[in-house]
Order: sequence, then structure tokens, then C-alpha cells
Amino acid sequence: NAGVTQTPKFQVLKTGQSMTLQCAQDMNHEYMSWYRQDPGMGLRLIHYSVGAGITDQGEVPNGYNVSRSTTEDFPLRLLSAAPSQTSVYFCASSTQTGEQYFGPGTRLTVT
Amino acid sequence: LAKTTQPISMDSYEGQEVNITCSHNNIATNDYITWYQQFPSQGPRFIIQGYKTKVTNEVASLFIPADRKSSTLSLPRVSLSDTAVYYCLVGDKNRGSTLGRLYFGRGTQLTVWP
Repeated sequence: NAGVTQTPKFQVLKTGQSMTLQCAQDMNHEYMSWYRQDPGMGLRLIHYSVGAGITDQGEVPNGYNVSRSTTEDFPLRLLSAAPSQTSVYFCASSTQTGEQYFGPGTRLTVT
Repeated sequence: LAKTTQPISMDSYEGQEVNITCSHNNIATNDYITWYQQFPSQGPRFIIQGYKTKVTNEVASLFIPADRKSSTLSLPRVSLSDTAVYYCLVGDKNRGSTLGRLYFGRGTQLTVWP
């Protein structure tokens, strides 16, 4: 049981490039979320999903897209990377009782 | 949005009991209180969850007064390895849409000294 996995662990992008951060969970959780964490700050919710085919925006959705075609996978797409998107990105899946399990994170630098 | 307020930082020494209080004045009837721990370069880790009175597990205790407008996470006999950021969250665990209302805030940086 791997829990929540994220790839890549590190990524450097140039301004304007696009990329997809991968997230997968093997716990059969319906709920999944993406957060970003800037230095010295708490986590901010980007997008979330309450089940396959259902996604919604969180607190800071601009510049990001998500899709949920399967229960297991919840990729986050950066459309046109900007330096302001330099951050650590965490994916999480949640039980029905709201207990969230987080992945190890992806450190993204946009130059 | 049921935001929470916590102290920015706390210091303690090994072996002491640490109590971190969280204020959530706008907590709704169906909201539960959940605490997470985060070490540097790692994702947050679930510690404990409760609705009212007292909840205890192998790691911590959670005290919630009758009015539920605050809660206290109690860590018994802390060690150096308990140095981390602790987050208090409030949300309705019976509704998937609560995911859009969860607010982590900046948490409380607990530093445990030898």
C-alpha cells in the first residue's frame, strides 16, 4: 500500500512552459485535493475533487487545471508557468471522515 | 469559511506537556476539528480529530469545551522529534464539499529544546 504518490519530486521550468504534476493514490478514496505551500506559509487549496469526473476550485485556482478520470489519479496541470508558481505542491486524498493523507510533495521552481 | 486562529510559535523542553490552543469562533454545528503535524520538506500528517469533549489516541489528546469555539491539542512529554508545525482545521466531515472550505492557515511552529 503506497498511499499517495507524487511525481516528479523536483522540477525546474522556464516561464511560459507547461507541465503536469502527477498524483496517484491506492486507498480507494473518493476525495482528492491539490495544495501549494510557499515558504513559511500554510497550505492553500488549489483544486479538489469529490469523485471521478467531479472537480472544483479551491482558494487559488488561477493558472492551474485538473481532471479526475479515475478514482486513483488526480493530475494538476500548469498551463503557462510563471515565477509566482514557484512553490511546493502537495496532493492529498481523504477518507469519508475527512482524514487527509498527503503525498511527499513536488518542489517546483519557475525561472 | 470557518477559519482558525493559532499562536504563530511555541517553545518547550523535552519531557514537558505542550498544549496548543486553536480558536474557531465561527464553527458550524456539523463541523469537526482536526489537527495535523508537518515536518520540514514533508506533507502534513493527521494527528487527531474530534467533535466535542475529549478525544485521546496514542499520540495526543484533544480537548473541546462545550461551546466548541476553541480546542486544545495536548502533547504529553514531548521530545525533540515533536518539533514541527501543527495545524488546526475545522470542517464538516460528512460532506465532500467541505474540502473546498478547509483552511490550513500558517499553523503553530513548536520547537522542543533539549
